[in-house]
Amino acid sequence: GIQVEQSPPDLILQEGANSTLRCNFSDSVNNLQWFHQNPWGQLINLFYIPSGTKQNGRLSATTVATERYSLLYISSSQTTDSGVYFCAVEHSSNTGKLIFGQGTTLQVKP
Amino acid sequence: NAGVTQTPKFRVLKTGQSMTLLCAQDMNHEYMYWYRQDPGMGLRLIHYSVGEGTTAKGEVPDGYNVSRLKKQNFLLGLESAAPSQTSVYFCASSSGGAGANVLTFGAGSRLTVL
Repeated sequence: GIQVEQSPPDLILQEGANSTLRCNFSDSVNNLQWFHQNPWGQLINLFYIPSGTKQNGRLSATTVATERYSLLYISSSQTTDSGVYFCAVEHSSNTGKLIFGQGTTLQVKP
Repeated sequence: NAGVTQTPKFRVLKTGQSMTLLCAQDMNHEYMYWYRQDPGMGLRLIHYSVGEGTTAKGEVPDGYNVSRLKKQNFLLGLESAAPSQTSVYFCASSSGGAGANVLTFGAGSRLTVL
């Protein structure tokens, strides 16, 4: 099956810093999503981005499907950005099977 | 709109006991999923369904069964619980299909097997 690798596994930032999270995947995909899990365990969808670039406030994401990776950018980080960031992918055979990476744990210090 | 509701939120079982986790969604979604989350392991797909009456295996299906008799409900069963099934279980749903498979998650169910 498709493999999903996220890096770095852990990241510690000072408030106001910028960061880039990476998601590599091993095969062609037709679906890629980024999620944030807050410290209370709630999972929130940030982006649906199988290709191209999207921006939402201080967050933006870019997926280069032909090179099998996606990047999540967080600018001017805030303590509320802390948590775990996951990417999830679905193989281009469109089976509905969404596989998650192991996540990047982000801690933003005040 | 409740979204995705998981029942129960917490449960403690003894080894060998059985139980069922219920996931209910009120968004008329076609696709539904069960994941488990363990420390350092991310979310691993147990089973999923792309429509009423259908189910499919995910990455870690052993020891679990599922049923999707009604479109709005997706049940996850543990016939004989084992300590290795101690985890947080998340249900998710989506409209499904190309360009529309965006997940909405429930709040999670914490299961401890002693």
